[in-house]
Amino acid sequence: EAAVTQSPRNKVTVTGGNVTLSCRQTNSHNYMYWYRQDTGHGLRLIHYSYGAGNLQIGDVPDGYKATRTTQEDFFLLLELASPSQTSLYFCASSDGQGAGNTLYFGEGSRLIVV
Amino acid sequence: GEQVEQLPSILRVQEGSSASINCTYENSASNYFPWYKQEPGENPKLIIDIRSNMERKQTQGLIVLLDKKAKRFSLHITDTQPGDSAMYFCAARYNQGKLIFGQGTKLSIKP
Repeated sequence: EAAVTQSPRNKVTVTGGNVTLSCRQTNSHNYMYWYRQDTGHGLRLIHYSYGAGNLQIGDVPDGYKATRTTQEDFFLLLELASPSQTSLYFCASSDGQGAGNTLYFGEGSRLIVV
Repeated sequence: GEQVEQLPSILRVQEGSSASINCTYENSASNYFPWYKQEPGENPKLIIDIRSNMERKQTQGLIVLLDKKAKRFSLHITDTQPGDSAMYFCAARYNQGKLIFGQGTKLSIKP
C-alpha cells in the first residue's frame, strides 16, 4: 500500500504565526495533494502538484502557499495563520488523474490557530 | 459546476440492516466515482469505486449504483456490522482530473 507520511501530526500556533506542514510519499507517485477536512464541508482541495516544481491551485487556496521540492516532498505553508485555518489537513498522492487512479492519504495533521 | 452533494450527513441504522448514502454531481463529464471510508482518528481509505461505463458494482457487502442521466450515485451497505461505523465520503472526478468530495456521512450502527 502507498505510504504517505505527514508532519507534524499536531500543531498549535497563534494568529499571525508561520506554519509549514510537510508531506512525503515513497511510492513514486506523480500527483500530490493538500486537502483540508472540516465538518459539513468534507474534504476540500487546497493545492496540488503533478511533479517537482509544479503547483496547481485547488478550490480553497486563499491563505495557503505550497511547494513541491522533489517528487517525494510536498509542503503546505501558512505564512499568516488565522483561526479560520484551524482544521485537519490531509496530504494525498496518486499515480495519475485518470479514471481509476486512487488517492492514498496520509495520517493527517491537526492544526489549531488560537 | 463542480459540486458534489452528499446526503444524509448523519445516518443511524440497526445492526444487520442496510444503509444507503446518496450523492449527486453537476458535471456530466464526470467519469469516476470513488467512495472512501474514514474510521475515527484515521485517514480516508478507498473502499469501492465505479467508472462511468458501469451502472452497478458490488464487492464484499458493498454495492455502488450509478445513474448518469440523473447524475446520481449511491453506496449501499448490506448487513451492517459495528465495524461499518465511520465517516463515508463520495467523490467525483472530472475530465481535468480533480477529485471533488461530498460533505461526508457519519454512519453509526446500533447494536
